[in-house]
Amino acid sequence: DGGITQSPKYLFRKEGQNVTLSCEQNLNHDAMYWYRQDPGQGLRLIYYSQIVNDFQKGDIAEGYSVSREKKESFPLTVTSAQKNPTAFYLCASSLGLTGNQPQHFGDGTRLSIL
Amino acid sequence: DAKTTQPNSMESNEEEPVHLPCNHSTISGTDYIHWYRQLPSQGPEYVIHGLTSNVNNRMASLAIAEDRKSSTLILHRATLRDAAVYYCILFSGGYQKVTFGIGTKLQVIP
Repeated sequence: DGGITQSPKYLFRKEGQNVTLSCEQNLNHDAMYWYRQDPGQGLRLIYYSQIVNDFQKGDIAEGYSVSREKKESFPLTVTSAQKNPTAFYLCASSLGLTGNQPQHFGDGTRLSIL
Repeated sequence: DAKTTQPNSMESNEEEPVHLPCNHSTISGTDYIHWYRQLPSQGPEYVIHGLTSNVNNRMASLAIAEDRKSSTLILHRATLRDAAVYYCILFSGGYQKVTFGIGTKLQVIP
C-alpha cells in the first residue's frame, strides 16, 4: 500500500541540539509539506515543496530547515534556534500544489525536550 | 488570508445524520473547500473537497452554499468511529499561510 512514513514516532532533543525528522512517501507525489501541531491546536504550515530541489517557507519557518533532494523524501531539521520545539510534527504530500489535490498525511513524530 | 470558522464541538447520536457547518465568508474564487478529520495522536485523514457544486463520496457529502460563503459536511449515519476532530480548510495555489484552525470535535453517543 502506498503511503507516507514518518520516523521516528517519538524523538527527544537536548538543549542546543539539532534533530532531523524523516518523511518518506511512495505515492509518486510532487508536493510535500511539513506542519506543526501544538496541544489542542490546529496545524500550522512550516515548509512546503512543489518539486525536487525547490521548497518554500510557510507561516512558521523560523528555526526549521528542510531539503528536497529526492522526490520521495522531505526531511525536516529542527535547529537549536527553534526555542519551543516541543510539538507534534506532521508530514503530508499531494499530487501537485493546487487546491484540487487532497493531502495525504503520515502518522506524525512527537518531539520533546529533555 | 481566507479563514474558516467552525463550532468547537458537536454531539450526535449513533446512526443519526450529522451536519458539521463551516463559515468562510472571505473565500476567493480559486479556493477549494477541503475537509479532514483527525483522531488523537494520528495524522489527519482526507474526507472530501469541492469548489462550487455539492460532492459525494463513500465517506461523506459536502454541501456548498450558492454564494460559497459557507459549507456543510454531512455524515449520513454517524458511527463511533466517526468521533474525531473535523477540520474545514481552504486551499488554493500557493500555500504560504495554510492554517487548519482548531476544528470541530465531534462526539458520537452510543
